[in-house]
Amino acid sequence: DAKTTQPNSMESNEEEPVHLPCNHSTISGTDYIHWYRQLPSQGPEYVIHGLTSNVNNRMASLAIAEDRKSSTLILHRATLRDAAVYYCILRDRGIQGAQKLVFGQGTRLTINP
Amino acid sequence: KAGVTQTPRYLIKTRGQQVTLSCSPISGHRSVSWYQQTPGQGLQFLFEYFSETQRNKGNFPGRFSGRQFSNSRSEMNVSTLELGDSALYLCASSPPTASRNTGELFFGEGSRLTVL
Repeated sequence: DAKTTQPNSMESNEEEPVHLPCNHSTISGTDYIHWYRQLPSQGPEYVIHGLTSNVNNRMASLAIAEDRKSSTLILHRATLRDAAVYYCILRDRGIQGAQKLVFGQGTRLTINP
Repeated sequence: KAGVTQTPRYLIKTRGQQVTLSCSPISGHRSVSWYQQTPGQGLQFLFEYFSETQRNKGNFPGRFSGRQFSNSRSEMNVSTLELGDSALYLCASSPPTASRNTGELFFGEGSRLTVL
């Protein structure tokens, strides 16, 4: 499985944008980039995913580098509820039906009031 | 719509015992996967079931097993418990219409197992 590298921790202030980086230099052409987050005492929850183009949804935006070797999850206005561990995960679209997520250590995001 | 339900939420066992954890997926979801989360190893994939068949398996010893029933509910069993099996066990389900590896997984809140 292709690996991702994320900073162990990041800190930001409430109502400010947050940019969470992820490096995936060994990404293959069939890998999708997924982001999940895990709030305290909860299971992980899906945030966003993309292949090549930048993606937006109600939770966040995903900016993917042109060479696809890195991506950035953007929280446009962080709230205290966004404090969580954020995981960047590669999923191979070539493996039919496989629902296996390979989690790294993720980035622990702290939001200051 | 009810989410993924895991029972029990907390349990304590002693070394050598066995444990069974249960997972009820979101209605209509046919894929159920299990993960183990520990402070040292993080989140690790155990196995995935689809239509009562194990479709994918992680790198865990044979003491860890699972099964899925015709109503998509799933159970996992750990036999001969060891101290290192203390962990949060998470179940996730996904809908049948999800594109290959592009669909989201929906996780339960987990079952926290403590082995003494």
